Amino acid sequence: DIVMTQTPLSLPVTPGEPASISCKSSQSLLHSGTGNIYLDWYVQKPGQSPQLLIFTLSIRASGVPDRFSGSGSGTDFTLTISRVEPEDVGVYYCMQRLFPAYTFGQGTKLEIK
Amino acid sequence: QVQLVQSGAEVKKPGASVKVSCKTSGYTFSSYGITWVRLAPGQGLEWMGWITAFNSNTNYAQKFQGRVTMTTDQSTGTAYMELRSLKFDDTAIYYCAKLGPGALGSLESWGQGSLVTVSS
Repeated sequence: DIVMTQTPLSLPVTPGEPASISCKSSQSLLHSGTGNIYLDWYVQKPGQSPQLLIFTLSIRASGVPDRFSGSGSGTDFTLTISRVEPEDVGVYYCMQRLFPAYTFGQGTKLEIK
Repeated sequence: QVQLVQSGAEVKKPGASVKVSCKTSGYTFSSYGITWVRLAPGQGLEWMGWITAFNSNTNYAQKFQGRVTMTTDQSTGTAYMELRSLKFDDTAIYYCAKLGPGALGSLESWGQGSLVTVSS
């Protein structure tokens, strides 16, 4: 199975400041036929079910504010929040879906300082 | 709008089985797959497998092979996940999620979760 490794595991951030989370995969997530990278980001806010944040590397899901962005290539990916707001508190996960056995990263807990 | 409503909390003894349901609405059930993910206490999200609704093809995580069965009922738009030979560390919240379009879609919409507690 593909191993997804996230850093950091804990991320305290001051509101209004930027934040970034790194995710690395043990194999490239580039689909040779489509040229797409099948890497998603999900967030689980306190007391809620997880929700899709970004899919196929950099496409924001419906309703996701544009302060969230995804980038990367091959095996290295980054979720960036340009200005953190208090409602962004939660656990963020990357997930690969190029290979049929999907795999999640360990999760990064974002908290407000 | 798309909704996935899961069955309620369950308490099971070690060695027993549990079957969680996920009733969908707001979209054409047969056109999209369903995946199952769990969240154990103090752990991260863990992908368990998926099932295609139109032909019931399944793909299970190796960890659960032989212990899990995912099924669908197209007549009611409901997906099911059965986990057998339960162990204490199967205690978790189990989520179903609708997959996006394509062969390996994103987890677009999620159920509210079903808590399964394994206790003697």
